[in-house]
Amino acid sequence: AQKITQTQPGMFVQEKEAVTLDCTYDTSDPSYGLFWYKQPSSGEMIFLIYQGSYDQQNATEGRYSLNFQKARKSANLVISASQLGDSAMYFCAMRPSGNTGKLIFGQGTTLQVKP
Amino acid sequence: DSGVTQTPKHLITATGQRVTLRCSPRSGDLSVYWYQQSLDQGLQFLIQYYNGEERAKGNILERFSAQQFPDLHSELNLSSLELGDSALYFCASSSGPLQETQYFGPGTRLLVL
Repeated sequence: AQKITQTQPGMFVQEKEAVTLDCTYDTSDPSYGLFWYKQPSSGEMIFLIYQGSYDQQNATEGRYSLNFQKARKSANLVISASQLGDSAMYFCAMRPSGNTGKLIFGQGTTLQVKP
Repeated sequence: DSGVTQTPKHLITATGQRVTLRCSPRSGDLSVYWYQQSLDQGLQFLIQYYNGEERAKGNILERFSAQQFPDLHSELNLSSLELGDSALYFCASSSGPLQETQYFGPGTRLLVL
């Protein structure tokens, strides 16, 4: 079964430090996409970063980078130079191959940035 | 601001009632997705429409239905509401049917009493 696993329910990081949020996925599809979304306490879902299964390089978007290890089926999000505004819930999601763009989400990781 | 709009933001209703959630996708996006976020089930895909046609169905109950109109806005209808339907309902949109990034609306928070 296709599944996303986020094993860290909650994490703390000191302001200005880097933090890694873990994500592993399970699929037998040869082609898939991996996403990270941020959900602040206000509730909206904010797209952060995307990695395609055939992309040779790890994706980066500003302070966000995705550490993609295909053989290990992991897609960890790295946030550099954490800011107080990074405190939120973070979701990893996978789009399997097929005739739809539906996303399968993990359970999320709550990140708290300490001043 | 993602460009996806959802109304209403909040909805409080009673068991057995019917409600309609509305979504307008980003300008130019043809795909609309509906997701449900609840404490026990997490974020679950409900249904996808692409250019007015149903594209895929997920864990959508038979009491729920949706449609996408010619102007591409979409409505999610929830009927015979139960306490367990209380959740945050998201609409997302993307330009195409498959590979494109989905941008989420602010959500509609439904409380069934």
